[in-house]
Amino acid sequence: DSGVTQTPKHLITATGQRVTLRCSPRSGDLSVYWYQQSLDQGLQFLIQYYNGEERAKGNILERFSAQQFPDLHSELNLSSLELGDSALYFCASSVWDRGQGTQYFGPGTRLLVL
Amino acid sequence: QQQVKQSPQSLIVQKGGISIINCAYENTAFDYFPWYQQFPGKGPALLIAIRPDVSEKKEGRFTISFNKSAKQFSLHIMDSQPGDSATYFCAASVVTGGGNKLTFGTGTQLKVEL
Repeated sequence: DSGVTQTPKHLITATGQRVTLRCSPRSGDLSVYWYQQSLDQGLQFLIQYYNGEERAKGNILERFSAQQFPDLHSELNLSSLELGDSALYFCASSVWDRGQGTQYFGPGTRLLVL
Repeated sequence: QQQVKQSPQSLIVQKGGISIINCAYENTAFDYFPWYQQFPGKGPALLIAIRPDVSEKKEGRFTISFNKSAKQFSLHIMDSQPGDSATYFCAASVVTGGGNKLTFGTGTQLKVEL
């Protein structure tokens, strides 16, 4: 158990809908990262937040957005969903100290868009 | 654009044998190279990591070899066991604000047979 929790574990929805994925980082970790894992794209970095501020962006679609709240939990919002958005979405967290840190991954949310 | 190339895609090794997975990168700004292990239905978990100022790092049965001039690194699993059967991802990292952004290879499915 990495200490990172994600809800829900599974999500089934229809095209055009909007969903919210939730992540609680390990205690004390200020950074939260979101990744998408799909068969054709592999593990792709989406976005990073540090103590409530966006710090890095990857291959995140404009239909997707995220935020980190004062209690450090994070939410990933996916809107206007398409079939191709079906994937595993992972959250990771890290503590960053003197230029070093390890990312710990949660168990993921499996999204199926029908 | 794939910045981290990983091979082979799949690997079958006999119990007690050596598993070798190779990765190559292009971006010289990468400054940290972790390997993650992922079991079905789970999130990736850090296995071992290396910085480019070191040519080799060993932790138990797992060794990373790093060749900075060739921009290549590899994971060696000695005395491979059936419990090592999993998907392995190499990654390369650049520092962001308060963290680091991971770029993953495409993964290697390792099966260790009795």
